[in-house]
Amino acid sequence: TQLLEQSPQFLSIQEGENLTVYCNSSSVFSSLQWYRQEPGEGPVLLVTVVTGGEVKKLKRLTFQFGDARKDSSLHITAAQPGDTGLYLCAGASYNQGGKLIFGQGTELSVKP
Amino acid sequence: EAQVTQNPRYLITVTGKKLTVTCSQNMNHEYMSWYRQDPGLGLRQIYYSMNVEVTDKGDVPEGYKVSRKEKRNFPLILESPSPNQTSLYFCASSYRGQYSNQPQHFGDGTRLSIL
Repeated sequence: TQLLEQSPQFLSIQEGENLTVYCNSSSVFSSLQWYRQEPGEGPVLLVTVVTGGEVKKLKRLTFQFGDARKDSSLHITAAQPGDTGLYLCAGASYNQGGKLIFGQGTELSVKP
Repeated sequence: EAQVTQNPRYLITVTGKKLTVTCSQNMNHEYMSWYRQDPGLGLRQIYYSMNVEVTDKGDVPEGYKVSRKEKRNFPLILESPSPNQTSLYFCASSYRGQYSNQPQHFGDGTRLSIL
């Protein structure tokens, strides 16, 4: 069974600080997606990374896919209270058909 | 507006009483999926469907059934619900299955409590 270990599970920081969330696995994924979820809503896709070593930027968010396509990270620069939410990574692999494996999630709280 | 619609949003029921959670998407997506979300466990896939009349088990299919008779609808059926199925459920759809790395569009969730 493929697993995605996400860390940290909880993160509480002050506005303006930087942070990194990690998503690790012993398995190779063909792609990895990052989602953000707010209370009472479903997850919303932030980005998909598909190539080993790929880096994508979304304003103050930087996403990286590991060279071996087994891990990924999300870095937020100068966090703002609006970044508060649950961040989820999800991996897909060719040999798992249509299955999508989610990490446990990182609950981020940014205090003003 | 493109959306995935789940009903009901909230349900409290008792053990053994059959229930169905409906899911409908208006984006002509081929792929649909059901997840449950529990604290500390993230989202776990229950069942998914790559197209009409094609369904497959996810990681936690026990106690659930699905059907895909039409492209837009993918109901989740609990024939004999038990308390360990108390959870937050999400339906999602995407243009194609995960081979094409398409984003999944999620509904707003259904909170089920089985007493």
